[in-house]
Amino acid sequence: EVQLVQSGAEVKKPGESLKISCKGSGYSFTTYWIGWVRQMPGKGLEWMGIIYPGDSSDTRYSPSFQGQVTMSADKSISTAYLQWSSLKASDTAMYYCARLSRAETGTPADNFDYWGQGTLVTVSS
Amino acid sequence: QSVLTQTPSVSGAPGQRVTISCTGSSSNIGAGYDVHWYQQLPGTAPKLLIYGNNNRPSGVPDRFSGSKSGTSASLAITGLQAEDEADYYCQSYDSSLNDSLFGGGTKLTVL
Repeated sequence: EVQLVQSGAEVKKPGESLKISCKGSGYSFTTYWIGWVRQMPGKGLEWMGIIYPGDSSDTRYSPSFQGQVTMSADKSISTAYLQWSSLKASDTAMYYCARLSRAETGTPADNFDYWGQGTLVTVSS
Repeated sequence: QSVLTQTPSVSGAPGQRVTISCTGSSSNIGAGYDVHWYQQLPGTAPKLLIYGNNNRPSGVPDRFSGSKSGTSASLAITGLQAEDEADYYCQSYDSSLNDSLFGGGTKLTVL
């Protein structure tokens, strides 16, 4: 069974750094792209970017999120990460990781087929 | 304002048929990029409902169907059930923005 399990909720102050995680199981973690999706409180879904765990240097960021966050992955422990170097109050949101359905040759035009349960990040002074 | 425009809300009585539209442009849906649909039940993660315009993943009831024409796509739900009450999102790629996009979402209320 394919599963993506995300790390727990975080409460941070503005200016702090943060790294949240997404552990995949039940499939070949290195051959499927992992994406991140933001959902601000009461708002819709926003596509942030995707990373290929088989080659962590292969990333595709949404222009809206380029430079604002960093995606990475550790294939030895089947885990993808999303990190911030300096959080802002506007980063308060639920963050979902999801698996791109097409293995290896996936593109940003492809759909996500499995989703994590979400990680709630709250940034407040 | 989302590049992919969805009606904010729709409603229907149990057993009825409803459609949810997703209107794009010549740089996304009209350029031939696939449209995908997700269902988000209250307080849960999104779930894939339709992929590649009109394909259902295993386990999704055939009450759900997708279609695409020109610069728009639609999700149809027949035999509406109380459990269908959720937010629905379309997704496609935009070549001008070089970005994958979600529509603004449509809240379905089952009366």
